[in-house]
Amino acid sequence: DQQVKQNSPSLSVQEGRISILNCDYTNSMFDYFLWYKKYPAEGPTFLISISSIKDKNEDGRFTVFLNKSAKHLSLHIVPSQPGDSAVYFCAAPDGAQKLVFGQGTRLTINP
Amino acid sequence: DTEVTQTPKHLVMGMTNKKSLKCEQHMGHRAMYWYKQKAKKPPELMFVYSYEKLSINESVPSRFSPECPNSSLLNLHLHALQPEDSALYLCASSPRGTETQYFGPGTRLLVL
Repeated sequence: DQQVKQNSPSLSVQEGRISILNCDYTNSMFDYFLWYKKYPAEGPTFLISISSIKDKNEDGRFTVFLNKSAKHLSLHIVPSQPGDSAVYFCAAPDGAQKLVFGQGTRLTINP
Repeated sequence: DTEVTQTPKHLVMGMTNKKSLKCEQHMGHRAMYWYKQKAKKPPELMFVYSYEKLSINESVPSRFSPECPNSSLLNLHLHALQPEDSALYLCASSPRGTETQYFGPGTRLLVL
C-alpha cells in the first residue's frame, strides 16, 4: 500500500514558467512533509518541508502548499530554471525515523 | 552545514569479494541511515542507527552488515553480494528533534 503517491512520473515546463509538482498521501497521521530534489547518480537534496499546522511554506523560488482535508500537497517552483531539471520526491515520516517516499516526478525545464 | 560524505564514490566488486562503504558526518546528528536506490525508484530504507545503536533493520539480507563505530561514522560491510545488489547506496543523517534527513552523494555499486 503506497502511503505517499506522486501520480505524474514526468512533467515538462518552459523556462521562466511555474512548475507544479503534486503529491497525495493516504495516512492521516502524517504531520510533516518534505520535498527532495535528486540529480542522476547523486544523493537527494533536501529542498523544503511543511508541518501540518501550516498550509504554506515558502523559501525563495520554492513554495509548498498543504491541503490536509484533501490529503494533498504541492511544490511550486517559480520561475523555473534549467537547473531545476531533476527528479523530485515528496516524503513523510512514518513513525520514528522512517521516511516514506513517493515514486518521484521527473521535471524537465525546456529553454 | 548539512554535509554528509560517502566513500568510495564508485565501487565494482565480484560476488566473492568483501568490501566496505563509509559514511561520515560532523554535524552532531544522532541518527544515521543506510538506503539503497535502484534506477527510477525512490530510496529504500535498509538500516537506522540512533545514538550509535541499531534501531531499525528493514529485513536486509545478512550479506549487508552495518556498523556504527562512533557518532560521526557509519559503515556498511558487504560480503558475497549478488548482481541484483548493484545500486546507489545512500547514507543520511538527521539532527535530534527533527525528522529531516540529509543525504550524502551516494556510492554507486556494481556487483559482477
